[in-house]
Amino acid sequence: EDQVTQSPEALRLQEGESSSLNCSYTVSGLRGLFWYRQDPGKGPEFLFTLYSAGEEKEKERLKATLTKKESFLHITAPKPEDSATYLCAVQAPNDMRFGAGTRLTVKP
Amino acid sequence: EAQVTQNPRYLITVTGKKLTVTCSQNMNHEYMSWYRQDPGLGLRQIYYSMNVEVTDKGDVPEGYKVSRKEKRNFPLILESPSPNQTSLYFCASSSASGGGNEKLFFGSGTQLSVL
Repeated sequence: EDQVTQSPEALRLQEGESSSLNCSYTVSGLRGLFWYRQDPGKGPEFLFTLYSAGEEKEKERLKATLTKKESFLHITAPKPEDSATYLCAVQAPNDMRFGAGTRLTVKP
Repeated sequence: EAQVTQNPRYLITVTGKKLTVTCSQNMNHEYMSWYRQDPGLGLRQIYYSMNVEVTDKGDVPEGYKVSRKEKRNFPLILESPSPNQTSLYFCASSSASGGGNEKLFFGSGTQLSVL
């Protein structure tokens, strides 16, 4: 069965303290790996799609990378406004499966 | 503005009282889907629709119904709600005609409490 595991569940950082979020997956025939950001009381918002191992995407302080078994969301010099839950999802031929998310808190 | 609109945002009901959560998108998307989000479990798919009059079960369809009579609307129906359906519900849509490889646009969510 396709599975997506995100770690850590929660992460607290000081402003400017860089770190990485992990998304490990087992899926047959990966068609895409997605990262979303979810703010409290709102629906998830799309950040990135990665399609093949070795691919990287960047947006402001965020960079997503992909290997054959996992993806990382690197956050460089985070700011308090980066506080949110970050969700990972994998698209297989017949299934899209979400991880439980990493709740990120960035303290000023 | 491109958006997915869900109503209501909050709903408190009692066991057994039928309810409908509406979902509408203005992006002419083929694909629409319903998810529930529970702490520690992530988003789980309830039902999805590849196009008008085509719907299929997701991972957790028991106790739910959907219909897709028009392209823009995809209501979620709970015929006889039970307390274990208390959850945060999201409707989503994408332009993927095959259901894959396209980003999802989510509504703002419906927080449902069944007493």
